[in-house]
Amino acid sequence: DTAVSQTPKYLVTQMGNDKSIKCEQNLGHDTMYWYKQDSKKFLKIMFSYNNKELIINETVPNRFSPKSPDKAHLNLHINSLELGDSAVYFCASSQESRGRVSSGANVLTFGAGSRLTVL
Amino acid sequence: QKEVEQDPGPLSVPEGAIVSLNCTYSNSAFQYFMWYRQYSRKGPELLMYTYSSGNKEDGRFTAQVDKSSKYISLFIRDSQPSDSATYLCAMSAGGGGSNYKLTFGKGTLLTVNP
Repeated sequence: DTAVSQTPKYLVTQMGNDKSIKCEQNLGHDTMYWYKQDSKKFLKIMFSYNNKELIINETVPNRFSPKSPDKAHLNLHINSLELGDSAVYFCASSQESRGRVSSGANVLTFGAGSRLTVL
Repeated sequence: QKEVEQDPGPLSVPEGAIVSLNCTYSNSAFQYFMWYRQYSRKGPELLMYTYSSGNKEDGRFTAQVDKSSKYISLFIRDSQPSDSATYLCAMSAGGGGSNYKLTFGKGTLLTVNP
């Protein structure tokens, strides 16, 4: 039973198109994330949602729009795709929650990744 | 200066060798230090984490943190071909509230040759 699942696993598309990646977690976690991993394996946070509320929004072009319909789901929609958007996008979740004393380390559970190739 | 620096390697060792992986950081607020392992075409998975300075051991793996030098290490004893992966260090200030951000190093690609 996959803890953090994201679809699709592979996505090949043309420049200028719009695409979405979906993520679901069944761990009961309160916080979900989108990370981007470039060709050099550098993992960079893009967004974080806590219980459907956006709490981290790094410097990301506004062509990227996250949506969290409930705390178990976090989707990523990308408009007007560019060549530089080619990367692996990872969804992750953690137990961290606003308004609750933190257990300490913010341990993330990652999905398997969605490999986006823009031609 | 990047917040977290990690030598990307690649690092190639024979089976049975002791492997040392390292990261340095600049943000003195970091208190939680983690190591993630990422196999090819998979998501990162947590290997171990430590709080503040000190050592932590888990089987063949030992994590060390030296906050005074802003330097963390992961040692792998008796390395196995199955240890071949990219190892990513990650850090956070922790403490709850809105500080959820985990900052990753670039990862070190390790190959253990049989």
